[in-house]
Amino acid sequence: GAVVSQHPSWVICKSGTSVKIECRSLDFQATTMFWYRQFPKQSLMLMATSNEGSKATYEQGVEKDKFLINHASLTLSTLTVTSAHPEDSSFYICSATGWGSSYEQYFGPGTRLTVT
Amino acid sequence: RKEVEQDPGPFNVPEGATVAFNCTYSNSASQSFFWYRQDCRKEPKLLMSVYSSGNEDGRFTAQLNRASQYISLLIRDSKLSDSATYLCVVNSGGFKTIFGAGTRLFVKA
Repeated sequence: GAVVSQHPSWVICKSGTSVKIECRSLDFQATTMFWYRQFPKQSLMLMATSNEGSKATYEQGVEKDKFLINHASLTLSTLTVTSAHPEDSSFYICSATGWGSSYEQYFGPGTRLTVT
Repeated sequence: RKEVEQDPGPFNVPEGATVAFNCTYSNSASQSFFWYRQDCRKEPKLLMSVYSSGNEDGRFTAQLNRASQYISLLIRDSKLSDSATYLCVVNSGGFKTIFGAGTRLFVKA
């Protein structure tokens, strides 16, 4: 199956700093990428949808100025958590889909963010 | 009402048991349906797509009832390795995908 990678897999940062998470599709062209957040014992919550070359579409309640998403190429999307706070600590997962995938999403392994 | 609802469980079953999960969705225009499996602290992985005619993959059987707007997953002969959270996923057109909260399964020896 298709492969999606994320980097870093685990990051600890201090409150007030920014963290960038990369999501790469390794063997297919990802026309659309999704960013999810998952808190312990909860399901994935979609944060935003990004199409290559376009501005991301954010879900209601997600601050676009705090969670900056860039999808500059068909293989890379980045999520930057700006001015991180402890409540931003979570598991961030990206997924990607491309033409002909029948809407199946291929998930990255996730990034665990801890803000101290 | 949530767009996709699942029984959160947990389901605690012995090895060899048969267990069934149900999921309901609210958008009658939903087009594609999936079951994903998520292990603790891991990303979700596609278990199987769900078709109107029903489909089977080894010990797993998925069924879709569009009239009643529910999806089911049946696991036969449960294994210890089946312990995970099972996510019901519904696509409502384009790339709009909604995840259920998941049903936790524990299979015990």
